[in-house]
Amino acid sequence: EDQVTQSPEALRLQEGESSSLNCSYTVSGLRGLFWYRQDPGKGPEFLFTLYSAGEEKEKERLKATLTKKESFLHITAPKPEDSATYLCAVGPPNRKLIWGLGTSLAVNP
Amino acid sequence: ETGVTQTPRHLVMGMTNKKSLKCEQHLGHNAMYWYKQSAKKPLELMFVYSLEERVENNSVPSRFSPECPNSSHLFLHLHTLQPEDSALYLCASSQARGLQETQYFGPGTRLLVL
Repeated sequence: EDQVTQSPEALRLQEGESSSLNCSYTVSGLRGLFWYRQDPGKGPEFLFTLYSAGEEKEKERLKATLTKKESFLHITAPKPEDSATYLCAVGPPNRKLIWGLGTSLAVNP
Repeated sequence: ETGVTQTPRHLVMGMTNKKSLKCEQHLGHNAMYWYKQSAKKPLELMFVYSLEERVENNSVPSRFSPECPNSSHLFLHLHTLQPEDSALYLCASSQARGLQETQYFGPGTRLLVL
């Protein structure tokens, strides 16, 4: 069964304390893996799309990587404004996106 | 701003009311989506429109009725809703309907059904 699991469910960091969020998936024939950021009461904001194992993308303090079984979202020296829920979704062939439940990140000043 | 707008942002309605949610995209995309987001659940895809044609309906109750008059506008008509329909309703758009296409979301409508 196609599945997406994000871990941890919640993460609390001190400002400047780097860490990683995980998105593991069991999908045959991955067509794309998507990372979004969602602030409370708002819609998901697109961050990255990864298409193949070994691919990496960066944006400011965020770096996303992809293997055949999982993706990591690395956050380097986070700031309080990085606090949000980070969502992962994967696209199997010819079917709708499968979404994870997200990781709720809190960065304390 | 993501280029996708939704109105209203908040809506409270009784079970016998009829209301509509509106979505507009300014990105020149050809596909539009309605999602439901509830606490402790992953995003649930409700409807997909591609070039104004409904191409997907994921077993959504008939009390939800979508309408796509053109590629920039999407509506979700609501009638005789149930309290369990309270959720954040998100509209999204993408360049095309392909699963590798990145979807861009609006801010959502927070719906409360009393």
